[in-house]
Amino acid sequence: QQQVKQSPQSLIVQKGGISIINCAYENTAFDYFPWYQQFPGKGPALLIAIRPDVSEKKEGRFTISFNKSAKQFSLHIMDSQPGDSATYFCAAREEGGKLIFGQGTELSVKP
Amino acid sequence: GAGVSQSPSNKVTEKGKDVELRCDPISGHTALYWYRQSLGQGLEFLIYFQGNSAPDKSGLPSDRFSAERTGGSVSTLTIQRTQQEDSAVYLCASSLDHPGTAYGYTFGSGTRLTVV
Repeated sequence: QQQVKQSPQSLIVQKGGISIINCAYENTAFDYFPWYQQFPGKGPALLIAIRPDVSEKKEGRFTISFNKSAKQFSLHIMDSQPGDSATYFCAAREEGGKLIFGQGTELSVKP
Repeated sequence: GAGVSQSPSNKVTEKGKDVELRCDPISGHTALYWYRQSLGQGLEFLIYFQGNSAPDKSGLPSDRFSAERTGGSVSTLTIQRTQQEDSAVYLCASSLDHPGTAYGYTFGSGTRLTVV
């Protein structure tokens, strides 16, 4: 059973456009929702994170929108750049501390 | 150290051989995690160490997989009698994680294991 579902699997966006990646979860006990960015040959790196008592968090061009009632959250990348091309993972943390990851979205930003 | 260090970065082994993968977490991080990433796939949880508590081994795919963490620091993931389906990138992460806090994981660059 996949606890965190991520979509789309891949995404192509023009430079300057908005990239949107969506995630849905089932377990209402999750207490922390981070997004990770992974470049080829590297481990994932924490990008931005949100707690379930907040509906939106913005850091620079990156924004998380969180809908607790719908059990959904999304990552928006404004003014997308070719350097943003990477694989993005959403995740949700169980009470014990373990992160459950989505399947990943491969983002390609075309110049 | 400054980051999570994993070794080796690449490992090619013959089917049936045992392999050991090493993870050096960030100094002072109490939690250590192992994940597996197969080609084009997400991150599959394997095992989690938190302080002196018993490890959460719920993600280990078979009894051929085991891990230990010595002295609350370095961890070794061992795969016995490797199979071709074990080929993947094995990622280690550490954190200051405590339930209720918002600390994120810091990942190493992984060990790419190829079983031939």
